[in-house]
Amino acid sequence: EIVVTQSPATLSVSPGERVTLSCRASQRLTNTVAWFQQKPGQAPRLLISDTATRATGIPARFSGSVSGTDFTLTISSLQSEDFAVYYCQHYRTFGQGTRVEIK
Amino acid sequence: EVQLIQSGAEVKKPGESLTISCQISGYNFRSQWIGWVRQMPGRGLEWMGFIFPGDSDTRYSPSFQGQVTISADKSVSTAYLRWTSLKASDTATYYCASSGTASTFDFWGQGTLVIVSS
Repeated sequence: EIVVTQSPATLSVSPGERVTLSCRASQRLTNTVAWFQQKPGQAPRLLISDTATRATGIPARFSGSVSGTDFTLTISSLQSEDFAVYYCQHYRTFGQGTRVEIK
Repeated sequence: EVQLIQSGAEVKKPGESLTISCQISGYNFRSQWIGWVRQMPGRGLEWMGFIFPGDSDTRYSPSFQGQVTISADKSVSTAYLRWTSLKASDTATYYCASSGTASTFDFWGQGTLVIVSS
């Protein structure tokens, strides 16, 4: 069974900073990774599919990439509305989530 | 516009049965995978399973196999999640979501809160 591990669990960031979230697979993945954003009391929202494809309406400051078994979500300049929990998903497995909070 | 509208919150007792629903509009219901995701209070997302309404092909996570039943009614473009005997540990918010690729959930419902308490 593939294990998907997100890090860090919590990230304290100031608005305007660059943010890098990690999602590591226990083995090289043949399927791609998706990234979701979830705010309190809301359903998750798709940000990135197929590792690096932004979903419709997602700002260009969000980008996805991969190097080996390490998948990354980058927010180039964090905005106030970006404080949320971020999940990666590989096929039928979600990561544990990374909470991005205000520093 | 794709919309997934879920049924309302439920409060049930342990041992009771329950079916929650997810009505989809805005695309061909028969050609998308419709999945269910659990989120226990204060916890992360868990993939439960999904169904392809076109041929009723249904897949479950091993963690949820035998615990719930996923079904769909093409005539009303609605997917369902059913329990025959609820437990307190089933208390959670349940989301339905759609996928055109059986991989990524593109669109999500608003969530259904299920509380199981004696």
